[in-house]
Amino acid sequence: AQSVAQPEDQVNVAEGNPLTVKCTYSVSGNPYLFWYVQYPNRGLQFLLKYITGDNLVKGSYGFEAEFNKSQTSFHLKKPSALVSDSALYFCAVSWYSSASKIIFGSGTRLSIRP
Amino acid sequence: ETGVTQSPTHLIKTRGQQVTLRCSSQSGHNTVSWYQQALGQGPQFIFQYYREEENGRGNFPPRFSGLQFPNYSSELNVNALELDDSALYLCASSLSGGPPSGANVLTFGAGSRLTVL
Repeated sequence: AQSVAQPEDQVNVAEGNPLTVKCTYSVSGNPYLFWYVQYPNRGLQFLLKYITGDNLVKGSYGFEAEFNKSQTSFHLKKPSALVSDSALYFCAVSWYSSASKIIFGSGTRLSIRP
Repeated sequence: ETGVTQSPTHLIKTRGQQVTLRCSSQSGHNTVSWYQQALGQGPQFIFQYYREEENGRGNFPPRFSGLQFPNYSSELNVNALELDDSALYLCASSLSGGPPSGANVLTFGAGSRLTVL
């Protein structure tokens, strides 16, 4: 069955330090991978996606993610965290024959301390 | 461009009642998807509408139904409400050049928070 996992409920990082939010997936065939962010009382906002091509994808607000096919991972990274990055982050996966169904992970709360 | 707008933002219903949630797509978008986000969980796909027809459905019972109108706006209807239906309901729109694919980026509304007592 198709699935996506975010193994960490919460990640705590000091401002200015690098951050990583982990995501692994299970899909038959080639995956389409996404990261979305959710701020309080707001809908989800798109950060970046991997469809094909370069394994390193750059997105909004300085975030990037690396697609690793052998490890079936798509971890979100940022070289230097900001307090304003504190939010709930969702990894999501889809696939060619999914009829547009996208599966979201359970979310990781990122907390950046000043 | 306008984003995705949903109404109402909050509502309270009792078990057995029916509810209708509304969504206006982002300007230029022709596809609408609905998601249910329970507290502390990720969004769960309910269904998607493209060209006014259902174009994919998640594991939700038939009492969850929807409509898409010619202006691409959409409604989510839930009949015979149960306590477990309490959640944030998110509408997302996207632009599909042909049949929608999983590669499309979704633009989400802020959601309608439903409480069932």
